[in-house]
Amino acid sequence: DIQMTQSPPSLSASLGDKVTITCQASQNINKYIAWYQQKPGKAPRQLIRYTSTLVSGTPSRFSGSGSGRDYSFSISNVESEDIASYYCLQYDNLPYTFGAGTKLELK
Amino acid sequence: EVQLQESGPGLVKPSQSLSLTCSVTGYSITSNYWGWIRKFPGNKMEWIGHISYSGSTSYNPSLKSRISITRDTSKNQFFLQLNSVTTEDTATYYCARSEGLDWGQGVMVTVSS
Repeated sequence: DIQMTQSPPSLSASLGDKVTITCQASQNINKYIAWYQQKPGKAPRQLIRYTSTLVSGTPSRFSGSGSGRDYSFSISNVESEDIASYYCLQYDNLPYTFGAGTKLELK
Repeated sequence: EVQLQESGPGLVKPSQSLSLTCSVTGYSITSNYWGWIRKFPGNKMEWIGHISYSGSTSYNPSLKSRISITRDTSKNQFFLQLNSVTTEDTATYYCARSEGLDWGQGVMVTVSS
């Protein structure tokens, strides 16, 4: 199985900050990474797929980049509605595997 | 709009089978892939498996001996059966389209006697 090492586990930000989350895969995943937002009691919501493609409805302050084994996800100008947990998922190889998650909190 | 809805018992006894249904509206399950994902109490997420548009299945090897994903195209539903459950199978179970383009709201399943 491909291991996805996601960091940091938690993040504290002020409104308007830029934050970045990284995921490193244990092998090349050919840009097949997606990023999800999950709020308590809600289903995950896909924000980005194939490294950098914003899913319909995803605000432009979200972005993704990377290649090979290393990928990042950023939120510029953090808003209060962005307070949530974020997960990466590699879907290049079966079984698909998730990162451990990052909890974004307000400073 | 694609909508997915999980249903099934919230409590299962150890050694018994867990059976869940995902009802899909707004999209035919004879297109795309349809999967099951679970989130454990400690927040770890695990992909369980999926069934394709043609009915072929792929399972997580960690569960392969215990799981079965099937479908009923006439009802636009797909199903998860997980056998011989233990307390470690306690989780919120989600059904999803493809690699998570759309998700159900999740069903919390507790394995306990």
